[in-house]
Amino acid sequence: DVKVTQSSRYLVKRTGEKVFLECVQDMDHENMFWYRQDPGLGLRLIYFSYDVKMKEKGDIPEGYSVSREKKERFSLILESASTNQTSMYLCASTKGDSYEQYFGPGTRLTVT
Amino acid sequence: AQKVTQAQTEISVVEKEDVTLDCVYETRDTTYYLFWYKQPPSGELVFLIRRNSFDEQNEISGRYSWNFQKSTSSFNFTITASQVVDSAVYFCAPRGGADGLTFGKGTHLIIQP
Repeated sequence: DVKVTQSSRYLVKRTGEKVFLECVQDMDHENMFWYRQDPGLGLRLIYFSYDVKMKEKGDIPEGYSVSREKKERFSLILESASTNQTSMYLCASTKGDSYEQYFGPGTRLTVT
Repeated sequence: AQKVTQAQTEISVVEKEDVTLDCVYETRDTTYYLFWYKQPPSGELVFLIRRNSFDEQNEISGRYSWNFQKSTSSFNFTITASQVVDSAVYFCAPRGGADGLTFGKGTHLIIQP
């Protein structure tokens, strides 16, 4: 079974803090993604990566950056957290463009 | 880029009723894939089905069935004889190129006992 894990289920941070959200997958998938989910808005793509050290902006990259130093790990970074980044963050991975994405359990981030 | 519309924000039915969730998409890609995901109250997204744009055959998996009509850009999902465990938010998501999925806003399905 594909397993995608995220470092925290719940996280509370203060405005201005630097926040790291970690995602690890164990199926040697090339592609990894970060989404955020907000009520009434569905899931929106923040960043994705096709390979180590490669990254592409999604639909809402502002205020975020990512890092992919190893194939299995994809990190989402909030350089200076703001209250409008309070959200559920979901990581996903897939072995290719035509294949389904497998999602982690999500990290519910609250920025106060 | 893709766009998807799930016009039904919330549907509530009584157990054992059949229910259809609508999905209408827009894409400029000639080749694309369509996905449905389920998000139960626990929060984790569960993959349900993938459909290639070349394959217009309907698909049935147990109580679940999908109707893909390329001519109307629709990919509707039907649950037959619904059960309380089907209560969840369901997302339709097309994918055209090498980028991420484009999710609809989801349909919240409530199955009442």
